[in-house]
Amino acid sequence: GENVEQHPSTLSVQEGDSAVIKCTYSDSASNYFPWYKQELGKRPQLIIDIRSNVGEKKDQRIAVTLNKTAKHFSLHITETQPEDSAVYFCAARWGGSNYKLTFGKGTLLTVNP
Amino acid sequence: ETGVTQTPRHLVMGMTNKKSLKCEQHLGHNAMYWYKQSAKKPLELMFVYSLEERVENNSVPSRFSPECPNSSHLFLHLHTLQPEDSALYLCASSQDGDSPLHFGNGTRLTVT
Repeated sequence: GENVEQHPSTLSVQEGDSAVIKCTYSDSASNYFPWYKQELGKRPQLIIDIRSNVGEKKDQRIAVTLNKTAKHFSLHITETQPEDSAVYFCAARWGGSNYKLTFGKGTLLTVNP
Repeated sequence: ETGVTQTPRHLVMGMTNKKSLKCEQHLGHNAMYWYKQSAKKPLELMFVYSLEERVENNSVPSRFSPECPNSSHLFLHLHTLQPEDSALYLCASSQDGDSPLHFGNGTRLTVT
């Protein structure tokens, strides 16, 4: 099965700085990589996703990059704001089952005003 | 409004109790999921149903029993749980196996 490693586990930045969270996956057949944001006491919400036929995707202040050769993908948040503070999860869809999404352990991002 | 509604939000139960968690999705999706979220661990997939048929059963102990009577409703029946089963149980839905997940707000379960 798939294994997803996520780093760092905690990240603290100043408002306006950029934040980068990195994930690696084990199964080269994985083809779908979403990122979820979970605020304290709330449900995880999809913020951006990328498929294996694309190297980069951007949505306003958020971008995701994928390196299939190295089997890693990253979340980039620019001009961070206090409301970006949350736990961020990366995930990879295992090529053997379209339903099975494997998650990383999460990164607690704190944006200090 | 999340589109995926879970009840109850909180549940405390003893190890000998039987209880059920309920999930309802209003998105017209075909697949529904149960995930377990414990502190400092990744979200763990428990069960997946597609069009009321179970397509994934991720080696979950038999004290957890899912039920999917139709594509909008999903239950998780709980029986003789252990304290280590205390966690946030998240329900999710997706249009199909290749679409993003939409999560509910979860049920915070405490087993005493």
